[in-house]
Amino acid sequence: AQSVAQPEDQVNVAEGNPLTVKCTYSVSGNPYLFWYVQYPNRGLQFLLKYITGDNLVKGSYGFEAEFNKSQTSFHLKKPSALVSDSALYFCAVSPHSNYQLIWGAGTKLIIKP
Amino acid sequence: EAQVTQNPRYLITVTGKKLTVTCSQNMNHEYMSWYRQDPGLGLRQIYYSMNVEVTDKGDVPEGYKVSRKEKRNFPLILESPSPNQTSLYFCATNKGEGEQYFGPGTRLTVT
Repeated sequence: AQSVAQPEDQVNVAEGNPLTVKCTYSVSGNPYLFWYVQYPNRGLQFLLKYITGDNLVKGSYGFEAEFNKSQTSFHLKKPSALVSDSALYFCAVSPHSNYQLIWGAGTKLIIKP
Repeated sequence: EAQVTQNPRYLITVTGKKLTVTCSQNMNHEYMSWYRQDPGLGLRQIYYSMNVEVTDKGDVPEGYKVSRKEKRNFPLILESPSPNQTSLYFCATNKGEGEQYFGPGTRLTVT
């Protein structure tokens, strides 16, 4: 079965340090890959996506993600974390490059001052 | 401003009392869907619609109905709500290539 895994329920990072939120997937073919963020009491917001091309994609709020085909991973990164980055982050995969998404369970990111 | 609106934002109801959560979008997107979000379970899709009068079941459709009579609206109907449908519900649209736009959410409590 196709799936998306976010192995960490929670990631704690000190402000100013680099952060990584991990995502791996088990989907055949060449899926589209996404990261979304959910701030408290808000809906999800699109952060970035990978379709093809450069393995490092840049998105909103200074976030970037690195695609690794051999490891089927799409880890979210930021060089210097801000307290305001604290939120719930979801990885999602579109297997057929269309409208349907397979979602990870989410990772809570906590940035401490 | 491009947006997805949901109403109501908060709802407390009793078991068995029919309710409807409305969803409306102003982006002219063909695809719309409903999700529920529960702690530890992430997002689970309830129903989706590829276009007017075309709807399909998602992962957890039991106990829910939807309709798509016009492009901009996609209401979620709970004919006989039960406590296990207490959840946070999101409507979303998709312009293609997977990028989705979410409404602000509806927090439903069924007692």
